[in-house]
Amino acid sequence: AQKVTQAQTEISVVEKEDVTLDCVYETRDTTYYLFWYKQPPSGELVFLIRRNSFDEQNEISGRYSWNFQKSTSSFNFTITASQVVDSAVYFCALSEPMEYGNKLVFGAGTILRVKS
Amino acid sequence: DAGVIQSPRHEVTEMGQEVTLRCKPISGHDYLFWYRQTMMRGLELLIYFNNNVPIDDSGMPEDRFSAKMPNASFSTLKIQPSEPRDSAVYFCASSFRGSIDIQYFGAGTRLSVL
Repeated sequence: AQKVTQAQTEISVVEKEDVTLDCVYETRDTTYYLFWYKQPPSGELVFLIRRNSFDEQNEISGRYSWNFQKSTSSFNFTITASQVVDSAVYFCALSEPMEYGNKLVFGAGTILRVKS
Repeated sequence: DAGVIQSPRHEVTEMGQEVTLRCKPISGHDYLFWYRQTMMRGLELLIYFNNNVPIDDSGMPEDRFSAKMPNASFSTLKIQPSEPRDSAVYFCASSFRGSIDIQYFGAGTRLSVL
C-alpha cells in the first residue's frame, strides 16, 4: 500500500532562515507522482508542485526548491529565506493508480511557523 | 478563472439534522473528489466521480453519507442524520483527464455538529 510519512509535526523558524520539510514515501509502483500542497491559515489547499518518478532533477521556483531522491524514497521541500507568509501546513502526497484516475495519498502534514 | 467553489464555508448544526454540502468544480474538469480532514485522521478521500459517475465510494464512512453529481458543474455531499463525530472540514477537488493527478481544491466547508 502507498504511504507518505512527514516525520516533522511542527517546525518553527525565524524569518529569513532556510527550512527543509521532509517527506518519505512508500510505493510498489514504478510510475508515480509526488506532490506538495500548502494549506495557509485561511484553510484552502494550494497545489505547489508535481514531480513524476522518472524525473529526479531538482526543481527551483523562486524561494522554493524540491529535492527528489528515488534511492532514499524522499521528496524534500526547502524554503530559502523564509517569510511570515510561508506560515502554513504543508502536505506531501503520492498518487496511487486506480481503475479510473488516480488517488492522492497525503502525509499528515508539517506545520511551519515563521516568526518575525 | 474561477476555482473550485464550495458552499457553505461554515455549517453549524445539531445532531440528527441533515447536512448538505455543495461543490462546483472547475469548468472542463471531469474528475471530482470529496475529502474529509480531521486532526485524528488527516485528509481522507471519501468518494470520487468521473464524468458525473461515482467511481469509488469506499472511503464513505457509513450509510449516513451520500454523494451525487447530477451534472458536470455541481455535486453534493449529504449527511443524514449528522452526528458530532462528523465534525470536520470537507473539501471538494477537481481535475481533468489530461492531468488527472493535479487536483485543485476548494476552500472547504467547516462542519460542526453539536
